[in-house]
Amino acid sequence: DAGVIQSPRHEVTEMGQEVTLRCKPISGHNSLFWYRQTMMRGLELLIYFNNNVPIDDSGMPEDRFSAKMPNASFSTLKIQPSEPRDSAVYFCASSFPSVAGGAGETQYFGPGTRLLVL
Amino acid sequence: AQSVTQLDSQVPVFEEAPVELRCNYSSSVSVYLFWYVQYPNQGLQLLLKYLSGSTLVESINGFEAEFNKSQTSFHLRKPSVHISDTAEYFCAVSTTGGGNKLTFGTGTQLKVEL
Repeated sequence: DAGVIQSPRHEVTEMGQEVTLRCKPISGHNSLFWYRQTMMRGLELLIYFNNNVPIDDSGMPEDRFSAKMPNASFSTLKIQPSEPRDSAVYFCASSFPSVAGGAGETQYFGPGTRLLVL
Repeated sequence: AQSVTQLDSQVPVFEEAPVELRCNYSSSVSVYLFWYVQYPNQGLQLLLKYLSGSTLVESINGFEAEFNKSQTSFHLRKPSVHISDTAEYFCAVSTTGGGNKLTFGTGTQLKVEL
């Protein structure tokens, strides 16, 4: 199994530019999560999807951030316009479905996208 | 809402010594508990988890954690660490009632020295 695939692995951009991060979850998983990791704030859940539907986006910082999951094998996280404070490592994770809506299931993380906004 | 506290941001330890990484949680409802490990420049991976049953859970590489409901703790222990255990360890909690939303602690950096 290839695991969770994220692209790009590194992204350097200038303030004001649009950034799109991509994620391919593990085949058969129906839950997908986007996290952001920084030294200051640690690991934060931004948004998660069940069966391609956004369930909780309360962690999305502001309107500049948007996420989509057009099908079970692909998701994007977009930042427009980007700002220096968005610099972080962004992780995508996926998990199996379970009877309890996924509760207790192991989340499988991708390698992350390291974003630097200048 | 749930919260997780990992009081130790860094734990240095010599190889073959025992180690304990502390985790306390707060929740008004029943929870599941997890330990994830992050090696340098990698994503997180599950180390072990408590869902129900025996309060002592073990990983394949010698770590164990004990769920203590009265003390709302889920401390991680290993009797003898190896250099390869150097990593950051995250404690996490989710509710038992639907959904798989995890709340993570701030992480503990375990540094194993020769």
